[in-house]
Amino acid sequence: GQNIDQPTEMTATEGAIVQINCTYQTSGFNGLFWYQQHAGEAPTFLSYNVLDGLEEKGRFSSFLSRSKGYSYLLLKELQMKDSASYLCAVMDSNYQLIWGAGTKLIIKP
Amino acid sequence: IAGITQAPTSQILAAGRRMTLRCTQDMRHNAMYWYRQDLGLGLRLIHYSNTAGTTGKGEVPDGYSVSRANTDDFPLTLASAVPSQTSVYFCASSDSSAPNTEAFFGQGTRLTVV
Repeated sequence: GQNIDQPTEMTATEGAIVQINCTYQTSGFNGLFWYQQHAGEAPTFLSYNVLDGLEEKGRFSSFLSRSKGYSYLLLKELQMKDSASYLCAVMDSNYQLIWGAGTKLIIKP
Repeated sequence: IAGITQAPTSQILAAGRRMTLRCTQDMRHNAMYWYRQDLGLGLRLIHYSNTAGTTGKGEVPDGYSVSRANTDDFPLTLASAVPSQTSVYFCASSDSSAPNTEAFFGQGTRLTVV
């Protein structure tokens, strides 16, 4: 079966750095997405990785290792507004997105 | 309209009733999707449409139907609602011509079946 695993909840301090991990087992691989979802709102796109390595976009970076079925999202200089759920999703061989349950990130002052 | 719009925003529905959730996008995206999101579970695909006139079943299609008469609209119908269909429903669209294109989501419909 297809499976995406991420931690259910994480807590971090404002100004710090946090890494949210995602491991996956899917039938085929056509890229991995990270989305941010604030409570009560729609998911919004953060990043896309299809090749191994690190993609940096401002305070957010996303890493992929296809051989390990592993990705992480790195958030630097955390702000209170970063409190949200972070969703990992893999596009499988049928170009359908398989979603993880999301990681709820709590930022404390 | 800018982006993708869902209606209604929320609804309380009696079990056994029929309900259609509406979704409209103005981005001319060829692909559209309906997901449900339940606490502790990832987004689960109900139905999808890769282009106007075609639809397909996702992971959890039972009890739901869709149609795609044109590019912009993708309504989701619950023929006879049951309490297990209580969920938050998200419609999304993407330009599926390239796999790296992001999906854009509507604001969601919170449905409670009682």
